[in-house]
Amino acid sequence: AQSVAQPEDQVNVAEGNPLTVKCTYSVSGNPYLFWYVQYPNRGLQFLLKYITGDNLVKGSYGFEAEFNKSQTSFHLKKPSALVSDSALYFCAVRDRLYGNNRLAFGKGNQVVVIP
Amino acid sequence: EAQVTQNPRYLITVTGKKLTVTCSQNMNHEYMSWYRQDPGLGLRQIYYSMNVEVTDKGDVPEGYKVSRKEKRNFPLILESPSPNQTSLYFCASSFERGITGELFFGEGSRLTVL
Repeated sequence: AQSVAQPEDQVNVAEGNPLTVKCTYSVSGNPYLFWYVQYPNRGLQFLLKYITGDNLVKGSYGFEAEFNKSQTSFHLKKPSALVSDSALYFCAVRDRLYGNNRLAFGKGNQVVVIP
Repeated sequence: EAQVTQNPRYLITVTGKKLTVTCSQNMNHEYMSWYRQDPGLGLRQIYYSMNVEVTDKGDVPEGYKVSRKEKRNFPLILESPSPNQTSLYFCASSFERGITGELFFGEGSRLTVL
């Protein structure tokens, strides 16, 4: 079964500094990978996805993520964090061949951007 | 406006009193799913549906039922709620049968079972 690990509960970063949110995954086949963001009292919103092709994926609000097959990672990055980026971030994975259309989410990372 | 609508948004109930959380989407999506969100556990899938009359269990289906009689609606039924079902619930939908497409989430339904 597919699974996701987000090793850090909270990431603190100063405004203007680079932001990285880590994600590693486990699948039997090849992965489809996603990042979602959740603002307080709201549902999750899609940020970006990796399906195939270029390992560097660009998404909404200036975020990008790099698929690394050898390290089974899909870290989310932003070159310069904003206070408004403070939110809960979820990584998710679906196994292309054996996932049975089920999407597994990580536990989430709370990002706090300090003014 | 494209959206997923859940009702109720907040509910306090007592053990054993049947309840239904409704979910409706206006995007003609084939794939719909229910998740629960608990602190430290992230989102866990309860049930999903690939199309009308096609449903399947997710990771934590115990104590829940679903139905998909119409494409736009996917209600979550708690026949006999228990305190361990106190949680924040999200309905989501997707095109492409959910395989490569992103999920569109509702605003969430916070359920407390006393």
